[in-house]
Amino acid sequence: DGGITQSPKYLFRKEGQNVTLSCEQNLNHDAMYWYRQDPGQGLRLIYYSQIVNDFQKGDIAEGYSVSREKKESFPLTVTSAQKNPTAFYLCASSISHSGTGKYYPLHFGNGTRLTVT
Amino acid sequence: QQPVQSPQAVILREGEDAVINCSSSKALYSVHWYRQKHGEAPVFLMILLKGGEQKGHEKISASFNEKKQQSSLYLTASQLSYSGTYFCGTAAGNMLTFGGGTRLMVKP
Repeated sequence: DGGITQSPKYLFRKEGQNVTLSCEQNLNHDAMYWYRQDPGQGLRLIYYSQIVNDFQKGDIAEGYSVSREKKESFPLTVTSAQKNPTAFYLCASSISHSGTGKYYPLHFGNGTRLTVT
Repeated sequence: QQPVQSPQAVILREGEDAVINCSSSKALYSVHWYRQKHGEAPVFLMILLKGGEQKGHEKISASFNEKKQQSSLYLTASQLSYSGTYFCGTAAGNMLTFGGGTRLMVKP
C-alpha cells in the first residue's frame, strides 16, 4: 500500500542537539511538506518542496533545515537554533500543482512527536 | 497569512447540524478541508475551487465565496464519528496554509 512513513513516532533529545526527522513516501508525489503542530494549535508550514533538489521556506523556517535529494525522501533537521522545538511534526505529500493548474489533497504521515529537554 | 476559522469549538448532540467558517485576508483560489482525530494525522475531506464546489463526503458539504474570501463547511445530521478538529487550508500554488482549527465534539 502507498503512503507516507515518518519515523520515529516519538523522539527525545537534549537541548543543544540537532535532530533529524525522517519522511519517506511511495506515492510518487513531487510535492512534499513539513508542518509543525503545537498542542491545541493549527498546522504551521515549515518547508515545502515541489521537486527534487529544490525547496522553499514556509512561515516558520527559522531553526530548521531540509534536503530533497530523492523524490521519495524529505528529511527535516531541527537545529539547536530552534528556540522551542518541542512539538508534533507532520510530513505530507501531494501531486504538484505546478504545471497542472489543479489542486490536489495532501496525504499526511502519522507524525513524529519531538520532546527536547 | 493564516486563514481565520470560527467557531474555535462547538459541541453538538448526535443528529444536529453545524457550520464551520474559514475566512482569508488574501484572494482565494482554492480551499482545502481536513479533519484530525486526536493524536492522528489530518485526513482530507474536500477541495473547493474558485468558481466551483467539490463535495467530498455524503453529509459533509462546503461552499466557497470568492468575493467574501470565505469558505464554510456544513455538517448535516452529525454522527459521533464526526468528532475531531477541522482545519481549512488556503492554497497559493503548492503552498497550503492552515487555519487554527475548529474543535468539534459530537455527543450521544
